[in-house]
Amino acid sequence: SQKIEQNSEALNIQEGKTATLTCNYTNYSPAYLQWYRQDPGRGPVFLLLIRENEKEKRKERLKVTFDTTLKQSLFHITASQPADSATYLCALDGPGGYNKLIFGAGTRLAVHP
Amino acid sequence: DTEVTQTPKHLVMGMTNKKSLKCEQHMGHRAMYWYKQKAKKPPELMFVYSYEKLSINESVPSRFSPECPNSSLLNLHLHALQPEDSALYLCASSQDASGGETQYFGPGTRLLVL
Repeated sequence: SQKIEQNSEALNIQEGKTATLTCNYTNYSPAYLQWYRQDPGRGPVFLLLIRENEKEKRKERLKVTFDTTLKQSLFHITASQPADSATYLCALDGPGGYNKLIFGAGTRLAVHP
Repeated sequence: DTEVTQTPKHLVMGMTNKKSLKCEQHMGHRAMYWYKQKAKKPPELMFVYSYEKLSINESVPSRFSPECPNSSLLNLHLHALQPEDSALYLCASSQDASGGETQYFGPGTRLLVL
């Protein structure tokens, strides 16, 4: 079955620096990959979607890359701010259709002033 | 309006109780989802409704019974739950159930089963 791995340890960075989060997957070839942000006790919020035929996607300070050869996606937040502190989840389209999503365990990001 | 609402926010129930979780969206979306999320774990899909028909049931125990009365509403009926069912229950919706559609999540219902 498909497996999704994200850095299980928290990522601590200084304000203004670029945060880079990693999502690796195995035993699967997703058609697309999504990144969500989740704050404690809240539902996930969609950030970006990248398709298998796209190498990179950007939205304001966010950038996602998708390397189907390495089976990896990188998620970058440039000029990070304390308000960016949250858990970031990557999600792949699951088998069986119907827009089914399979989430990684998430990486907790802490941006320090 | 890109909001998905869920009620109640918190629910405490005994193992013999019957309760229901409610989810509503007014974005005209035709796909709706129930997820279960345990502490420090990712959301896990339970059910998918597409055009008000149950399309995916991820082998969820029958003590969880979903219902989609119309395209805006999604319910999850709970009966004879176990303490291990305590979790955050998230509802989501998307334009439809085609692949690659953004899912919009509600704030969740925090359920505690005693």
